[in-house]
Amino acid sequence: DADVTQTPRNRITKTGKRIMLECSQTKGHDRMYWYRQDPGLGLRLIYYSFDVKDINKGEISDGYSVSRQAQAKFSLSLESAIPNQTALYFCATAGRSGPGYNEQFFGPGTRLTVL
Amino acid sequence: AQSVTQPDIHITVSEGASLELRCNYSYGATPYLFWYVQSPGQGLQLLLKYFSGDTLVQGIKGFEAEFKRSQSSFNLRKPSVHWSDAAEYFCAVGGYNNNDMRFGAGTRLTVKP
Repeated sequence: DADVTQTPRNRITKTGKRIMLECSQTKGHDRMYWYRQDPGLGLRLIYYSFDVKDINKGEISDGYSVSRQAQAKFSLSLESAIPNQTALYFCATAGRSGPGYNEQFFGPGTRLTVL
Repeated sequence: AQSVTQPDIHITVSEGASLELRCNYSYGATPYLFWYVQSPGQGLQLLLKYFSGDTLVQGIKGFEAEFKRSQSSFNLRKPSVHWSDAAEYFCAVGGYNNNDMRFGAGTRLTVKP
């Protein structure tokens, strides 16, 4: 089984709809991240969480919110989706800080299309 | 602010030829550098990473990268490319606390038979 899973894998929705993307991990990692990938822009950080009670904004958090329901679960919500949120979304996890712990492990991605 | 530049959007090489993908970074502290590969429809897989020590690091799938502090570069190399190496490659720079990872825009690699 995959260590980092994302659901759904694909989603098409309409402008103004509320959408939730879910991420679960079995790696036992404390740190979880949400990124979006756009062609020509690479990956950009939306939100990150270092434990259940810790939520931090990333580079592009406007229009998004997150919930860390448990150590293993980190959800990303679009309260009112708009077309420029069409992108590939990745969840990632990492262990505690320090040398050797900086590697992030990525889920397979969720392709979201907002019409 | 930290940033990563991958100057080549798309590279085509013949199978068996050597490969070098360029990466330049800007980071105000000690950089932690990474190369990830993304195959079509897949997530990102770590190829290699550099934290300290030997500036030539070996990774999976026969890849290596060299950290050159004076040039702010971390170029990825492979002596002989295989058709299965066709993918998109991302360079990334982060810090000690792993909360400010920045990715380059990616280089798409096409391998000709």
